[in-house]
Amino acid sequence: SSVLTQTPSVSVAPGQTATISCGGDHIGSTSVHWYQQKPGQAPVLVVYDDSDRPSGIPERFSGSNSGNTATLTISRVEDGDEADYYCQVWDSSTDHWVFGGGTKLTVL
Amino acid sequence: EVQLVESGGTVVQPGGSLRLSCAASGLTYSVYWMSWVRQAPGKGLEWVASIKPDGTKTNHVDSVEGRFTISRDNGMNSVFLQMNSLRAEDTAVYYCATSNFFFRYWGQGTLVTVSS
Repeated sequence: SSVLTQTPSVSVAPGQTATISCGGDHIGSTSVHWYQQKPGQAPVLVVYDDSDRPSGIPERFSGSNSGNTATLTISRVEDGDEADYYCQVWDSSTDHWVFGGGTKLTVL
Repeated sequence: EVQLVESGGTVVQPGGSLRLSCAASGLTYSVYWMSWVRQAPGKGLEWVASIKPDGTKTNHVDSVEGRFTISRDNGMNSVFLQMNSLRAEDTAVYYCATSNFFFRYWGQGTLVTVSS
């Protein structure tokens, strides 16, 4: 079954670019989805199918996926982007949905 | 506007049972897989269970297999999670979400506390 590995924390200054990674064996061969969760709130889908954005999500949020690493990139980071970010895949071998452990993004 | 509203969370003793409900509106409910996702205090997200749009197939994470059962009523646009033999480690906020490969819509969650 899939195991997704995320760096526990990332820090970035406002206006800079944040890169959040999600590692997994051959993750590039499946679709990866990303969620933002702020304290006390439900998660929000920010990227699906590697690089698509739901309506209402700023273009500053982008994704890529290749080899053993998927990446969520947040450009021109704002204070409001401070949150936990989770990657997720659907494991077709087990019909299970799998989340990464999460990355806490701190805006300095 | 899509709304998912969970209910049923409370404090329950170890070994006890609880049934969570989630009512959906603002979407074509019968085309969506539905899921429960939980989050223990201070921890990450964990997928718990999912059910096919017509209710004919379900999946559960190994740690709840045989104790939890997901079901749905498409006439009521609702999904349920029957939780039996509850343990302290089941303490979490439980979210319902639509889940056609990814979780597009989420409820606000309901808190289940397993404690004596």
